[in-house]
Amino acid sequence: ETGVTQTPRHLVMGMTNKKSLKCEQHLGHNAMYWYKQSAKKPLELMFVYSLEERVENNSVPSRFSPECPNSSHLFLHLHTLQPEDSALYLCASSQDWAKGQPQHFGDGTRLSIL
Amino acid sequence: SQQGEEDPQALSIQEGENATMNCSYKTSINNLQWYRQNSGRGLVHLILIRSNEREKHSGRLRVTLDTSKKSSSLLITASRAADTASYFCATEALTGGGNKLTFGTGTQLKVEL
Repeated sequence: ETGVTQTPRHLVMGMTNKKSLKCEQHLGHNAMYWYKQSAKKPLELMFVYSLEERVENNSVPSRFSPECPNSSHLFLHLHTLQPEDSALYLCASSQDWAKGQPQHFGDGTRLSIL
Repeated sequence: SQQGEEDPQALSIQEGENATMNCSYKTSINNLQWYRQNSGRGLVHLILIRSNEREKHSGRLRVTLDTSKKSSSLLITASRAADTASYFCATEALTGGGNKLTFGTGTQLKVEL
């Protein structure tokens, strides 16, 4: 157990569907992250929240919409996705947004777009 | 530009042997971190080395950092089958805000019995 739980573990959706990915951390951390991991590509940082405020948005298309209702929960709302959005989506947390800290990852949601 | 490029991309060794993975990066860093990812799982933090440190140990892991060459190495001694995983280096830039990591594409390590 890493202390970061992601649900669902697998998701298959059509391009016109709307779905949400959920992440919950039980570590008392104040910063949470969404990453995209595609085959043969480096991990891509998508969004960062610190104390429930978005502090990073790495030019992510608007079909991905994050939400952080409190410091323990992070969502990624998906709508009108494209086949190239098929990937492993990883959530992570760290004590806070300050430099020099390890990040703790969940096991990810494997997303497949039909 | 891409930070943290690992070398080799894949490595296959026998149990008991040592495994060495290298990471190169391009800009000035605050720290460099190594992570492990088992198949179908998330990343697990292994070790963090700051820019003013040259070597760090944790159990069977030894990490070196050469900021003049912008490179780092991860040595796993006396490898075990359970060490089979992908290993990633991640750099935190010296400038800019926050705990923002840039990851490489990883080294796939296979340890055979």
